[in-house]
Amino acid sequence: AQSVAQPEDQVNVAEGNPLTVKCTYSVSGNPYLFWYVQYPNRGLQFLLKYITGDNLVKGSYGFEAEFNKSQTSFHLKKPSALVSDSALYFCAVRDTRGATNKLIFGTGTLLAVQP
Amino acid sequence: EAGVTQFPSHSVIEKGQTVTLRCDPISGHDNLYWYRRVMGKEIKFLLHFVKESKQDESGMPNNRFLAERTGGTYSTLKVQPAELEDSGVYFCASSQEPAGGYEQFFGPGTRLTVL
Repeated sequence: AQSVAQPEDQVNVAEGNPLTVKCTYSVSGNPYLFWYVQYPNRGLQFLLKYITGDNLVKGSYGFEAEFNKSQTSFHLKKPSALVSDSALYFCAVRDTRGATNKLIFGTGTLLAVQP
Repeated sequence: EAGVTQFPSHSVIEKGQTVTLRCDPISGHDNLYWYRRVMGKEIKFLLHFVKESKQDESGMPNNRFLAERTGGTYSTLKVQPAELEDSGVYFCASSQEPAGGYEQFFGPGTRLTVL
């Protein structure tokens, strides 16, 4: 079955420290991977994607993610967390079954950055 | 450029009533997706339009849900009659594939509460 796992419901980090939000996936074929962020009372906002090419992908707001094919992971990282990064983060993979590009999402990880 | 908009932002209805959600995609985006997040779980795909045609409605829960996209512009999702388990946040997303790079742009969502 095709799926995305975000093993941590919540990640706590102090401002200025590096952060990692974990994501693993299971999909047949080549994965198209995405990270989205949801701020309170807002919609999902696209952060970054991996389609092909360099395994380290850089996105908005200083975030980056590393695609690791052998570990089927796509962890989101940032070298120095800001309080304003506190939000709900979703990892997603394109469903390779069928002809559409529908996304399969994880359950989300709440990032809390303490001042 | 205007983003994806959804109306209403919140809807509270009684079990058995009818509710219609509306989504206006980004202008020029042929692809329109509906997703739903129920009770803090993962975001799940409902259906996908390309212009006015339904490409994939495999995620629609049952025949109480009806989606339309007249003229290939805005889309509506009607729930009739609503049940308690329909409560959740309904997201709409649009994209231009493959030229747009496969990322989907999400609206703010409609929070539906069925009492």
